[in-house]
Order: sequence, then structure tokens, then C-alpha cells
Amino acid sequence: DIVMTQSPDSLAVSLGERATINCKSSQSVLYSSNNKNYLTWYQQKPGQPPKLLVYWASTRESGVPDRFSGSGSGTDFTLTISSLQAEDVAVYYCQQYYNTPHTFGQGTKLEIK
Amino acid sequence: EVQLVESGGDLVQPGGSLRLSCAASGFTFSDYYMDWVRQAPGKGLEWVGRIKNKANSYTTEYAASVKGRFTISRDDSKNSLFLQMSSLKIEDTAVYYCVRVFLGGFLGDPWGQGTLVTVSS
Repeated sequence: DIVMTQSPDSLAVSLGERATINCKSSQSVLYSSNNKNYLTWYQQKPGQPPKLLVYWASTRESGVPDRFSGSGSGTDFTLTISSLQAEDVAVYYCQQYYNTPHTFGQGTKLEIK
Repeated sequence: EVQLVESGGDLVQPGGSLRLSCAASGFTFSDYYMDWVRQAPGKGLEWVGRIKNKANSYTTEYAASVKGRFTISRDDSKNSLFLQMSSLKIEDTAVYYCVRVFLGGFLGDPWGQGTLVTVSS
């Protein structure tokens, strides 16, 4: 199974500052035939189901604010929130869909400093 | 409007069985692969399994933690997805979500609100 490891486990950032969450996979999730990284990012606010933010590692889902961006390739990925807003307080998860089981990272809890 | 509504969650004893349902609306259910994902109280997300569409022979895949105990099925005529759970363990306690799989294989919005399964004596 591909193990997804996020860092840090929790993060406190001031409003308006940049937040960076990392995700590392135990093997590459880059599919060479189409040059796509099979990696998504989800946001889960308290008491709500997860919400898709980014797929193919860097494609922002429709309606997601452009302060959210995904980057990386192969085994190392990053979700960046360029200017933290109060409504961004949540737990963020990465997931690989390269092969089954489609494993998630353990989550990163983002709070306001 | 796309909607997924899970139901069937309950309190069940270890070793017991339970069947979850997911009612889908607002999209052509039969075209899509569907996944189940679970979340234990206060914990992270765990992929449970997938059922593909008719064009892909309704093939199923499961996480090792549930393989042989859980069965995913669907009824395209009723736009419904099911998760039959047996030999339940305390560690199966979780909120269970059904999720639509987008072309490319990733889980798409919206998710349902989930249904809570509690395994306890």
C-alpha cells in the first residue's frame, strides 16, 4: 500500500499569512503515460464532510478560491494557502488515487494564530 | 442538484451485521464509480472500497481492513448504493460516507453527511 504522510500534524498561522501543508507518498503517484500525479487535497471543516480542493495535484476544483494552490510531483506535494482567512480553519487531507487502496494522509489541522 | 444521502447507521454488537444505503440524485448514477469512505470519531479518513459501473462489470475493490467482511453493491434502477457489513468489529465504528468518483478516479463533491455506525457491546 502507498503510505501518505502529511506534515505538520497541526499548524497555526496568522490571518493574511501563508500556510503550507506537505504530503509525501511512499512511492511515486506520477503516472508516466499521461504525466499526471494522482493526488488530491480535501478540506474538512468541523461537523462537515470533506470538500474537494485540488485534483491532479495542482488543478483547483471549480469554485475553490484562488488562494488555494497545489504543487509537487512524484512523491512530494504541497498545499499552499496564500493568505489565510478565518474560514480556512479546517483539517486538510491529501489522498492518492494512483492505486488501491486509495490511501489518505493522516490530516493536518490548521488554526489561526 | 447532486445529492448523496446515506442511511442505515445504527448501534450494533461486535460480530453483528448492518446494511448501509446511499440514495443518489441529480446525476446519472449508473455512469459513475462509487466509493465508501469512513471516519472514526475524531480520526482521519479511511477509504473502504469501490464499485465500478456496468461498463466495467461492477467490479469491486476493498481495503484490507474490511475485505471478506464488507460487500459493496448497487442498484442502478433505484440510483442506490449499498454497503453490507458483517462480522463487525469495534474498530469499524465510524461515520460512513458514500462518494461519487469522477473520471480520472478521484472523489468528487459533494459528499453526503454520512451515517454513523457504532459497534459496541
